[in-house]
Amino acid sequence: EAGVAQSPRYKIIEKRQSVAFWCNPISGHATLYWYQQILGQGPKLLIQFQNNGVVDDSQLPKDRFSAERLKGVDSTLKIQPAKLEDSAVYLCASSLVPSTTNTGELFFGEGSRLTVL
Amino acid sequence: AQKVTQAQTEISVVEKEDVTLDCVYETRDTTYYLFWYKQPPSGELVFLIRRNSFDEQNEISGRYSWNFQKSTSSFNFTITASQVVDSAVYFCALKPPAGKSTFGDGTTLTVKP
Repeated sequence: EAGVAQSPRYKIIEKRQSVAFWCNPISGHATLYWYQQILGQGPKLLIQFQNNGVVDDSQLPKDRFSAERLKGVDSTLKIQPAKLEDSAVYLCASSLVPSTTNTGELFFGEGSRLTVL
Repeated sequence: AQKVTQAQTEISVVEKEDVTLDCVYETRDTTYYLFWYKQPPSGELVFLIRRNSFDEQNEISGRYSWNFQKSTSSFNFTITASQVVDSAVYFCALKPPAGKSTFGDGTTLTVKP
């Protein structure tokens, strides 16, 4: 079974530029998550999708971050304009069942490491 | 509000030593789930175990064991006879039934040959 795919693995941009990250979850997984992991910290949820609908985006800085999952499968996370403090690893995860009833584990991709200069 | 504290930022042991990673959590929920994840250098977090708050039975899986003590709000993870391949960052996480997971800041384990 293929795991969660993410691209690009690494991205270096200058502040105020834009960047987009792509995620393809495990086939059949209805729930998709984007996490931000700053160096030395644990992952922090940015946004959660259930199929193509947003379940939780309370921690997403909506003035600069946006995400979509149009067909309920793969997803894109965009940052525009980027700030220095956005330097982090952006992790995508998926799970089989909705988080609200879920006791199950998250399956993570390898992450996209963003450096903002 | 939920909080997970992993007080040990870094641990270094020599191969074959036993090592315990501590996790202390705070929650007002009576029902919740606790998790441990491993993050190797490749970057992806790998699920290790899930524990229901009603199940305080300790669990052993090979060289891994987990000690859940609700009275002290702790969910500690022990690796017996550590190996170099155990070197990674380990995260403890807390999740209410209807809500998102809260992760600790991780413990970096280095196992030296």
